[in-house]
Amino acid sequence: LAKTTQPISMDSYEGQEVNITCSHNNIATNDYITWYQQFPSQGPRFIIQGYKTKVTNEVASLFIPADRKSSTLSLPRVSLSDTAVYYCLVGNNAGNMLTFGGGTRLMVKP
Amino acid sequence: DAMVIQNPRYQVTQFGKPVTLSCSQTLNHNVMYWYQQKSSQAPKLLFHYYDKDFNNEADTPDNFQSRRPNTSFCFLDIRSPGLGDAAMYLCATSRDRGSQQFFGPGTRLTVL
Repeated sequence: LAKTTQPISMDSYEGQEVNITCSHNNIATNDYITWYQQFPSQGPRFIIQGYKTKVTNEVASLFIPADRKSSTLSLPRVSLSDTAVYYCLVGNNAGNMLTFGGGTRLMVKP
Repeated sequence: DAMVIQNPRYQVTQFGKPVTLSCSQTLNHNVMYWYQQKSSQAPKLLFHYYDKDFNNEADTPDNFQSRRPNTSFCFLDIRSPGLGDAAMYLCATSRDRGSQQFFGPGTRLTVL
């Protein structure tokens, strides 16, 4: 089971870059890594997904080292509205091990 | 444009009284998931359907059942709710099992 581990919380200030790391030591060969953002009383929202190396979209980057035992979500220049819980999810297309990490509560301060 | 719809948003039931939560999607996705999320915890997968193929998580209690009568709809049945079943229940869909999931707004269940 690709159990994931994330920091419980992080603080940042507006305009800073935030990096949140997820550990998944037992990741399987066919597992993908996906990150979600969740605001209170809402369902999680997809941020980014990757398999290896680096993936970038309009809101974030995802860095995955060669051994794939961890991944780092990078949020450039955060704003107050980025205050949320961020989850790392490891799973594959066989439907196995769709396990969310414990989530990282990001607090962005003025 | 609502893509994953959950009804009701808030549901109150009595201890032991069966309750059904519903989810519908306009995305025509193959996969539908049900998660349970308790306060300050991560979502926990209960089960998922790939088309009509039902996949139950090993630790999902028998008290929780699901039905998917067609592509668009999926139901979560809690046969005898206990106080510990009070939670947010999230429905999600994805095109394939490994792809991006789209979540509904959730149904918050209260058990009295």
